[in-house]
Amino acid sequence: EDKVVQSPLSLVVHEGDTVTLNCSYEVTNFRSLLWYKQEKKAPTFLFMLTSSGIEKKSGRLSSILDKKELSSILNITATQTGDSAIYLCAVEAVVKTSGSRLTFGEGTQLTVNP
Amino acid sequence: DTEVTQTPKHLVMGMTNKKSLKCEQHMGHRAMYWYKQKAKKPPELMFVYSYEKLSINESVPSRFSPECPNSSLLNLHLHALQPEDSALYLCASSQDRGSGVSKGEQYFGPGTRLTVT
Repeated sequence: EDKVVQSPLSLVVHEGDTVTLNCSYEVTNFRSLLWYKQEKKAPTFLFMLTSSGIEKKSGRLSSILDKKELSSILNITATQTGDSAIYLCAVEAVVKTSGSRLTFGEGTQLTVNP
Repeated sequence: DTEVTQTPKHLVMGMTNKKSLKCEQHMGHRAMYWYKQKAKKPPELMFVYSYEKLSINESVPSRFSPECPNSSLLNLHLHALQPEDSALYLCASSQDRGSGVSKGEQYFGPGTRLTVT
C-alpha cells in the first residue's frame, strides 16, 4: 500500500521566520511528487517534482525532491500571515496502463502569527 | 485558465434522496477525478476517468455512481447515502499524456459540501 508521511503535523511560527516542511513516501510506480496548499476550500497546486535534486521556486516558496531518500522538502522564507494553511504533499503513482493515483499525506498545519 | 468548476457548492440530502454532483473543466484535460475529504483529513481518491473511461474505482460503495458524459464533464450520482458520507467532495482534472508517464498536476475544483441527514 502506498504511504506518504508528512512532518511536522503542526507548526506555529512568527512572521518573517523560515520554515521547512518534510514529506517522505513509499510508493510503487512513482511518477511525481506534488505540493498543494489548502486553506478553506480546495487544494491549490504549488509544485510538481519529477527529477531528483532540481529545485523548483515560486517567490518565497521552493521545493526539492530526493529520490534516493524518497523524500521532499518545501521551504517557505520570510513567512507571512497569508501563508497560514494546510500544506499537503501527494505522490503520484501510475496504476495499470492508463490510471494515475494521488496518495496524500496528512498535511502540515502551518500557522504564521503576526 | 486552470479552473475546475463544481455545482452545487452545498447540498443537504436525506438518506432516501437521489442527487447528482457536477464537475466541469475546459482545460482540455483528459483525466478527471473524484475525491472525498472529511474534516481535518487529506483527500481520498474515489474514482479516476482517463479519456472518458473509468480507470480506477477505489472500492467505492455502489451508492456512489460516477459518469463521464464527455471529456469536459464529470458527474457523481448519489443514491441512498448514509450520514457518514457527509464530506467535501472534490473534483480534479489533469493532462493525460499517455501510459507510463506522469498524468500531470491535478487541479481541484472548489468542492461540494455534502450533508446527509
